[in-house]
Amino acid sequence: GIQVEQSPPDLILQEGANSTLRCNFSDSVNNLQWFHQNPWGQLINLFYIPSGTKQNGRLSATTVATERYSLLYISSSQTTDSGVYFCAVNRDDKIIFGKGTRLHILP
Amino acid sequence: DAGVTQSPTHLIKTRGQQVTLRCSPISGHKSVSWYQQVLGQGPQFIFQYYEKEERGRGNFPDRFSARQFPNYSSELNVNALLLGDSALYLCASSLADSLYEQYFGPGTRLTVT
Repeated sequence: GIQVEQSPPDLILQEGANSTLRCNFSDSVNNLQWFHQNPWGQLINLFYIPSGTKQNGRLSATTVATERYSLLYISSSQTTDSGVYFCAVNRDDKIIFGKGTRLHILP
Repeated sequence: DAGVTQSPTHLIKTRGQQVTLRCSPISGHKSVSWYQQVLGQGPQFIFQYYEKEERGRGNFPDRFSARQFPNYSSELNVNALLLGDSALYLCASSLADSLYEQYFGPGTRLTVT
């Protein structure tokens, strides 16, 4: 099956810093999504991005489907950005999540 | 509008027992999906239902089953519980028959002792 690898696994940053999270996938996919899981377990859809670039406030994402990777950019980090960021790919009526990047933003 | 709701919030069961988890989608959403999230891992896809029919299934044993009702709510049943079934069970809903642009509920945390 498709492998989804996220890096780095953990990231600790000071408030105000910028960060880049990476998602690599091993085969062609129909779609790619980025999610944020807050410390209380709630999973929020950030981007639905099969290809190209999208921006939403301080967050943006880029997917290069031909090279099988996606990047999530977080600018001017805030403590509320803490949590786990998951990349998930869709293929053949299934969805496969990576193991996530755990982000800690220090005040 | 209310988001996706799940019940119960927490549940403790003994090995060998059976459990039923419930999910109500966002009003107007016809697709419901179930996921298992073990501590420290990403969610794993269990089932997707659309218009009361199973549309997708992940790699889970037959002990796991689900159904969707005419009002689009859904139940996940797990029989013969194992310690390894301890996890956060997430439900998500979406408008269309797809796993795109899903909205997740708060989850049910199941502990098997």
